[in-house]
Amino acid sequence: EAGVAQSPRYKIIEKRQSVAFWCNPISGHATLYWYQQILGQGPKLLIQFQNNGVVDDSQLPKDRFSAERLKGVDSTLKIQPAKLEDSAVYLCASSRDSPEAFFGQGTRLTVV
Amino acid sequence: AQSVTQLDSQVPVFEEAPVELRCNYSSSVSVYLFWYVQYPNQGLQLLLKYLSGSTLVESINGFEAEFNKSQTSFHLRKPSVHISDTAEYFCAVGGTSYGKLTFGQGTILTVHP
Repeated sequence: EAGVAQSPRYKIIEKRQSVAFWCNPISGHATLYWYQQILGQGPKLLIQFQNNGVVDDSQLPKDRFSAERLKGVDSTLKIQPAKLEDSAVYLCASSRDSPEAFFGQGTRLTVV
Repeated sequence: AQSVTQLDSQVPVFEEAPVELRCNYSSSVSVYLFWYVQYPNQGLQLLLKYLSGSTLVESINGFEAEFNKSQTSFHLRKPSVHISDTAEYFCAVGGTSYGKLTFGQGTILTVHP
């Protein structure tokens, strides 16, 4: 069974630019999550999807972050415009009828 | 609301020594508990989990953790560590929403030869 796929693995952008991350969850997993992991901290949930609907986006900075999950499968997380404090690893995870979440390799974003 | 506290940010040990990584949680609902491991430039890998049943859970590579409800703890232990165990370890708690996890700050385990 293929794992959670994320791309790109690394991204360097200048502040005020925009960036997008892509995630393909494990096949059959209805629930998809985006987490932000700032250096030295544990991951923090940004948004949770159930199929293509948003379940929880209370921690998503909506003035600059947006996310969508087309057709209940792949998902894209976008930041526009980026700030220096957005430098972090963005982790995608998925789950199916289980408390356990499976994580991708993450995208490391550096904003300069 | 849920929260997780990992009491040690860094734990240095010598190879073949025992180790304990401490984790305490708070939650107003029944919980599921997890330990994840993260190697440099990698994502999170599930190490072990407590969902229900026996309070002592084990991983395939010799780690174990015990769910202690009265002390709201889920400490991770290994009787003899290897160099390859060097990594960052995260304790996480999940509740009623499957997969929505609250993580601790992480503990960096460094095993010295």
